[in-house]
Amino acid sequence: DGGITQSPKYLFRKEGQNVTLSCEQNLNHDAMYWYRQDPGQGLRLIYYSQIVNDFQKGDIAEGYSVSREKKESFPLTVTSAQKNPTAFYLCASSMTSGNEQYFGPGTRLTVT
Amino acid sequence: ILNVEQSPQSLHVQEGDSTNFTCSFPSSNFYALHWYRWETAKSPEALFVMTLNGDEKKKGRISATLNTKEGYSYLYIKGSQPEDSATYLCAPPINTGKLIFGQGTTLQVKP
Repeated sequence: DGGITQSPKYLFRKEGQNVTLSCEQNLNHDAMYWYRQDPGQGLRLIYYSQIVNDFQKGDIAEGYSVSREKKESFPLTVTSAQKNPTAFYLCASSMTSGNEQYFGPGTRLTVT
Repeated sequence: ILNVEQSPQSLHVQEGDSTNFTCSFPSSNFYALHWYRWETAKSPEALFVMTLNGDEKKKGRISATLNTKEGYSYLYIKGSQPEDSATYLCAPPINTGKLIFGQGTTLQVKP
């Protein structure tokens, strides 16, 4: 089945630790995205990548880092510099930038 | 950050009622619009991708219109059913291709 997978579904970390969220797609899409959702707010873009080995900051990139070494994979690292890391994180991909986006199931990160 | 507004924020209707939501955006910045449906415990799924001013799209009982000149889009649901209960997100893409999401309209359809 083609689609986007994110793992794990739930993640718990202690404050001060970096944590990496996984996102994999087998749709052969060029573009991939990371969003964050907080209660009462819409989806906010953290980082996006239009092509392998290239990525751009979104609206709330501070405290996050990404890599795009393979077309299928776009991992997100939440660093200890992110002041409010507890949130629901969604990964998405699209054929090319601006096309319909396909979303993964999300990872709920809790940092205590 | 460019602002995309959706109204109402939430809506409760009875089964069989027809309803509509609005998505407003700065007309000078956006040339197209995406609508997504996000059901509880699922991932957001695309409903429509609209790319022309005056575009109208329909999928079953759900339809949408787009006016890029005045900066709005309407989503209509005819004869709402409980399975239509979800959050509906609009998202215009900007020139770089990234989407700017509104906060969404949460629809609850009571049987």
